[in-house]
Amino acid sequence: GEDVEQSLFLSVREGDSSVINCTYTDSSSTYLYWYKQEPGAGLQLLTYIFSNMDMKQDQRLTVLLNKKDKHLSLRIADTQTGDSAIYFCAQEPGTGANNLFFGTGTRLTVIP
Amino acid sequence: DGGITQSPKYLFRKEGQNVTLSCEQNLNHDAMYWYRQDPGQGLRLIYYSQIVNDFQKGDIAEGYSVSREKKESFPLTVTSAQKNPTAFYLCASSMRGALVDFFGQGTRLTVV
Repeated sequence: GEDVEQSLFLSVREGDSSVINCTYTDSSSTYLYWYKQEPGAGLQLLTYIFSNMDMKQDQRLTVLLNKKDKHLSLRIADTQTGDSAIYFCAQEPGTGANNLFFGTGTRLTVIP
Repeated sequence: DGGITQSPKYLFRKEGQNVTLSCEQNLNHDAMYWYRQDPGQGLRLIYYSQIVNDFQKGDIAEGYSVSREKKESFPLTVTSAQKNPTAFYLCASSMRGALVDFFGQGTRLTVV
């Protein structure tokens, strides 16, 4: 079955770059996603990458996809205190169903 | 403004009681989803519905029930058969066949 893994915690200093990593198992996934959850709130779609891409950049966010290793990362440049949140990696199964499989989430803490 | 409204934000239930969580969307989305979030775990899919009057079980449907009588509404009932119902519940929606990009603010259910 589908399995998505992330480390649970990451701390960075304000102004540094953050890199959040994710590994997944379903090699037939067409899309992989990053979501952000602020305290007590729902999820917000940050960005996504199509499986035939290696990299996608969107302002301070860079997504890297290594299909061979089934590894996805999210880099946040110039991390700000407002970036403190839980970040979820998710994969869309290759079965055609449009439900998602989420990782455990990485809690990013930005230290002023 | 279009969006997803979940209510209530906090809900307390006595053991042995059924309780219904509300989810309403005015985005004209065909597909709606219910996820459960537990600390240190990823989101897990409870039920999803691609179209009115149709729904499918997700990974952890036992002890839950849903209905989809209207396009806008997808209520989730947590029954007394759910052995560990205390969790944060998130409702989501998407266009049919599209990525899930709208989430509600969540309902935190506590069994007392």
